[in-house]
Amino acid sequence: AQSVTQLDSHVSVSEGTPVLLRCNYSSSYSPSLFWYVQHPNKGLQLLLKYTSAATLVKGINGFEAEFKKSETSFHLTKPSAHMSDAAEYFCGGGGSYIPTFGRGTSLIVHP
Amino acid sequence: DTGVSQDPRHKITKRGQNVTFRCDPISEHNRLYWYRQTLGQGPEFLTYFQNEAQLEKSRLLSDRFSAERPKGSFSTLEIQRTEQGDSAMYLCASSFPSSHNEQFFGPGTRLTVL
Repeated sequence: AQSVTQLDSHVSVSEGTPVLLRCNYSSSYSPSLFWYVQHPNKGLQLLLKYTSAATLVKGINGFEAEFKKSETSFHLTKPSAHMSDAAEYFCGGGGSYIPTFGRGTSLIVHP
Repeated sequence: DTGVSQDPRHKITKRGQNVTFRCDPISEHNRLYWYRQTLGQGPEFLTYFQNEAQLEKSRLLSDRFSAERPKGSFSTLEIQRTEQGDSAMYLCASSFPSSHNEQFFGPGTRLTVL
């Protein structure tokens, strides 16, 4: 079975500074991982997904994530935060069967 | 709008009443998923369909929960004899059959049980 753990419930950054949202996974086999974003009153939107083709995955809106097997991590990063990035972010996994999501990290962006 | 739609967006009901939610997926998508999301948690998988076949329903929370997709298009999720603990956001998502991960989510139905 595959599970994910989001290490921070809230992350606060200033506009223009880097963003790091942490996610660790546990899997007995090659994992399938993804990040979704949820803005208030909107549906979840896929940011990026890891498919084993490349360890560094680029997503939408300037986000990227690096799959590190040795650390069992799939952290989400962005070089420079924008006010519009303020939202809830969910790490998840689950290749061909039941998708599982982490508890979410709320990203707060200060002007 | 060609995205996933859900109806109603909000539902307030009294304990013991039955409620039914509808989800209209993106038309080309064969797979349809239902999730529950409570405050401070990520989406919790409930069930999914491929076309009209319900391929996984062991995660439905109790026998009070049921879902249908009779013609392989829209789906309904019914909760019978609602309880206060059922209060949550119910999310629907759809995808092509080739990938579970690229799911497109609807805005959700927020259920409040008084």
